[in-house]
Amino acid sequence: AQRVTQPEKLLSVFKGAPVELKCNYSYSGSPELFWYVQYSRQRLQLLLRHISRESIKGFTADLNKGETSFHLKKPFAQEEDSAMYYCALSSYNFNKFYFGSGTKLNVKP
Amino acid sequence: EADIYQTPRYLVIGTGKKITLECSQTMGHDKMYWYQQDPGMELHLIHYSYGVNSTEKGDLSSESTVSRIRTEHFPLTLESARPSHTSQYLCASSDPVQGGYEQYFGPGTRLTVT
Repeated sequence: AQRVTQPEKLLSVFKGAPVELKCNYSYSGSPELFWYVQYSRQRLQLLLRHISRESIKGFTADLNKGETSFHLKKPFAQEEDSAMYYCALSSYNFNKFYFGSGTKLNVKP
Repeated sequence: EADIYQTPRYLVIGTGKKITLECSQTMGHDKMYWYQQDPGMELHLIHYSYGVNSTEKGDLSSESTVSRIRTEHFPLTLESARPSHTSQYLCASSDPVQGGYEQYFGPGTRLTVT
């Protein structure tokens, strides 16, 4: 069964500290993996996609097929990074998406 | 302005009432989706559509129904609302021409059934 697990409901760090938001998945096939973000009073929006291998707003995510993980990392957290982060996976044709329950990142000054 | 709209944003309604949650997008996207999300929980896909006259159920069983008569419009209907339908409903769309992988979300409708 397809499933996305984000084990941390809340992650609090100080400004300038490294951040790692965990995501594990189960999927029968080759998944497409994403991170979505929702800032306060804004809509859910795409942050990054694994295949693009881009760094967006300083965030990167590496797909580890052996560990079925797709953790989101940033070396130095900023206060504006405070938001809800959702890990998601999709079938190859993007007909279905599966989301985790989200991690709330709180970056303290 | 190209966007995706959901109305109403908030709805409180009594048990047994018929309700329709509206979702419209002005981006010309073929694919549209409905998600249900309880507080602190995953977004669950309940319906999706590839285009006009095409609708499919998601993995999460839902008593709601959808229709796709026009590209821009993807309403969700509950024939008889129950307290178990209390949840947030999110509509999204994606553009296959640009790969189809990025979902654009609406602001959501928070439904409370009393």
